[in-house]
Amino acid sequence: QSVLTQPPSASGTPGQRVAISCSGSSSNIGSDYVYWYQHLPGTAPKLLMHRNNQRPSGVPDRFSGSKSGTSASLAISGLRSEDEADYYCAAWDAGLSGVVFGGGTKLTVL
Amino acid sequence: QVQLVQSGAEVKKPGASVKVSCKASGYTFTSFFMHWVRQAPGQGLEWMGIINPSGGSTNYAQKFQGRVTMARDTSTRTLYMELSSLTSEDTAVYYCARATYGSGGYYPPNFDYWGQGTLVTVSS
Repeated sequence: QSVLTQPPSASGTPGQRVAISCSGSSSNIGSDYVYWYQHLPGTAPKLLMHRNNQRPSGVPDRFSGSKSGTSASLAISGLRSEDEADYYCAAWDAGLSGVVFGGGTKLTVL
Repeated sequence: QVQLVQSGAEVKKPGASVKVSCKASGYTFTSFFMHWVRQAPGQGLEWMGIINPSGGSTNYAQKFQGRVTMARDTSTRTLYMELSSLTSEDTAVYYCARATYGSGGYYPPNFDYWGQGTLVTVSS
């Protein structure tokens, strides 16, 4: 059971916009930043979003992040086939004194 | 360029220990914290802990306390993660991941570079 809660799956057609939610608590998302990772099978995870809504260099602006209270969301607009991957949210949990991840959301591009 | 190169796949028997290495290059070794994250088959990412390469201090996830040891060798720029008393539930891909920030007991998951992963299989 993951500390952060994500839907197990999401889907969309090319060109569509999809959003992936991440729900936490006051000890993690509610009190600190959220980070998002894209994970393709057989590769290392890739940082997509840091500090809630900051894109690292090289990440397309089709990806955007937001946070409100104890929840966060990753939105992908102009969906492309290469966006098909697993997406994870992560945060520092002050109560656990450790990093917590969501269970991951498998995005399918139909 | 920054590179984190991990050791190769391992097969271990239940009860044994495994030691995974992560050799860093392309940046100042002691300036960035290193985390260890694993992913069991069909499961999500799981944080194991962090080591400060500068002084060697560590912070382990509660789940792994007493069973994991993280260390570093500054002369070879290599990080190590050793996990003992292995069971089949420890079968996973283990990653080292560099963090861009951390200080005074606060280590946010801002991982900009990752190793390629090391598959550890625990089987009798």
